[in-house]
Amino acid sequence: DAGVIQSPRHEVTEMGQEVTLRCKPISGHNSLFWYRQTMMRGLELLIYFNNNVPIDDSGMPEDRFSAKMPNASFSTLKIQPSEPRDSAVYFCASTQETGYGYTFGSGTRLTVV
Amino acid sequence: QKEVEQDPGPLSVPEGAIVSLNCTYSNSAFQYFMWYRQYSRKGPELLMYTYSSGNKEDGRFTAQVDKSSKYISLFIRDSQPSDSATYLCAMIYNNAGNMLTFGGGTRLMVKP
Repeated sequence: DAGVIQSPRHEVTEMGQEVTLRCKPISGHNSLFWYRQTMMRGLELLIYFNNNVPIDDSGMPEDRFSAKMPNASFSTLKIQPSEPRDSAVYFCASTQETGYGYTFGSGTRLTVV
Repeated sequence: QKEVEQDPGPLSVPEGAIVSLNCTYSNSAFQYFMWYRQYSRKGPELLMYTYSSGNKEDGRFTAQVDKSSKYISLFIRDSQPSDSATYLCAMIYNNAGNMLTFGGGTRLMVKP
């Protein structure tokens, strides 16, 4: 099992550019989560999918953020336009519907300059 | 007030010491409790998982839940430099919804 796979590992972009983060959950996991982690705010849940359907997106900071899950094996988080305050580590996590903990990916470190 | 409170540390201990990491929470509806370990520049990894009150032991790690006090702990015996990481507690209301609530994490440093 390759675990949760995120790409890219690092992303540096200029303010105003579009950024797309990608995630491949563990096969058989029905729930997928996008988190953002910063020193000041810790881990923040952005959006949660169950069976590819967005269930709770109340954590998405603003309309500049959008997420999709077109199928069970792929999800994207897009920021457009990006701003310096979006700089953070973005984690994707997945779990089976039974809710036994989450498996996290290695994260994407985003820097917006 | 946050739902889950955790001292951010850092907590610095000598190798071999017993470490106690703690979280308090405000919502008595939480049923499942977890501890995650996060090494620098890595994603959190599940360390311990417990249900309701009581103790659970796994090697050098013991997770303790006291629901009456809304308090959970993680004990590490014979701490090693490789235990140096950030430890996050997490909890969930029940299996429905699967949305974990995380503490802010405690940074632990074990010095050789």
